[in-house]
Amino acid sequence: QSVLTQPPSASGTPGQRVTISCSGSSSNIGSKTVSWYQQLPGMAPKLLIYGNHHRPSGVPDRFSGSKSGASASLAISGLQSEDEADYYCASWDDSLTWLFGGGTKLTVL
Amino acid sequence: QVQLVQSRAEVKKPGASVRVSCKASGYTFSRYAIHWVRQAPGQRPEWMAWINPGNGETKYSRKFQGRVTVTTDTSFSYMELSGLKSEDTAVYFCTKGGDCGGDCLRDPFDMWGQGTLVTVSS
Repeated sequence: QSVLTQPPSASGTPGQRVTISCSGSSSNIGSKTVSWYQQLPGMAPKLLIYGNHHRPSGVPDRFSGSKSGASASLAISGLQSEDEADYYCASWDDSLTWLFGGGTKLTVL
Repeated sequence: QVQLVQSRAEVKKPGASVRVSCKASGYTFSRYAIHWVRQAPGQRPEWMAWINPGNGETKYSRKFQGRVTVTTDTSFSYMELSGLKSEDTAVYFCTKGGDCGGDCLRDPFDMWGQGTLVTVSS
């Protein structure tokens, strides 16, 4: 069964740059695009990045995405306290389902 | 503005069924996919189903095949889950997907409803 793997936690101080990784396989990230979602406590997820690196209107350019092979990364520069949230990657899989990563809890110290 | 508003929280007994509604506004409902995604407490989101509101075509996760039914009616989508178990306790989200003039099954989820908590308990 395919899975997307993320580190459970990440942290940084205000103004720093942090990156969150998402590792998959040839049946998902390796051959499909990746999207990233931000979930604030008690809220619904919000689309941050789609098509590996595109930002929807309204998402600050502090957020950026990239993909290489079967792995993807989300980078957040100029870290702010309001960035403290859970972050999930997602990708379509050849098993005919959408997969989500296990989530990374970002703490702003 | 684009908005998805879901029905209220539900408490159900094991073996029962639950129906969650999702009202869409601010866009041409028939043109864009609707997905249903659930999230158990402390867990990752889990994709359940997709529907093309324009023609009613559906696709279901193998995990839920036979237990879940998704439909649409004008600007509403409905998700019904039967044979409820305690493990089905989760927040259920409807999400807006891609333009079904293209590949709307594999396009990401660009708007989410507020979520509906379904609690399964005897």
